[in-house]
Amino acid sequence: GQQLNQSPQSMFIQEGEDVSMNCTSSSIFNTWLWYKQDPGEGPVLLIALYKAGELTSNGRLTAQFGITRKDSFLNISASIPSDVGIYFCAGLLDTGRRALTFGSGTRLQVQP
Amino acid sequence: DSGVTQTPKHLITATGQRVTLRCSPRSGDLSVYWYQQSLDQGLQFLIQYYNGEERAKGNILERFSAQQFPDLHSELNLSSLELGDSALYFCASSPSPRPYEQYFGPGTRLTVT
Repeated sequence: GQQLNQSPQSMFIQEGEDVSMNCTSSSIFNTWLWYKQDPGEGPVLLIALYKAGELTSNGRLTAQFGITRKDSFLNISASIPSDVGIYFCAGLLDTGRRALTFGSGTRLQVQP
Repeated sequence: DSGVTQTPKHLITATGQRVTLRCSPRSGDLSVYWYQQSLDQGLQFLIQYYNGEERAKGNILERFSAQQFPDLHSELNLSSLELGDSALYFCASSPSPRPYEQYFGPGTRLTVT
């Protein structure tokens, strides 16, 4: 079952606003990934994080690997209409399990 | 375009039938992963293959099976289909040095009627 709690479930914002979403868990993760999925399409990798405390940017996107290794957040600055979609966090558990665990997603809507 | 291809894009079939979904990974990627995504749900990991061998198994039903061929393409076989198997099925591949940066294909939408 799901071991990642992703929040918020959905957001409706105005164009130009900044957005923040996060994933938390009671388990320790070795890797955090953030994906964006457009309707009917496959998820697209946005950012990958491999070390606790790591802060990585990709254009207007910034993500951080939490110090406790149990959380991660994604920020989007100055949102634009094409940011609309579902954002998923995914993590690799520190248990040797070789598969990613995905969060349930944050649905983002941007009002022009 | 991630470089991962999946066919077919859509598939409509009846309960009790069997279907095969196909995936070609990105050039050079040895790992292939299969996921199921039901309506408005997250991604559920099914199975992973690495260079032809099964590497990890998730919540894959016994009615489902997969394999990876010598040319690295993979097939997911779904049999005795039920209405609840209707979903998007995604394939992802990853480069060997960083196996967890997974790149997803466009998916196959399966509808069981």
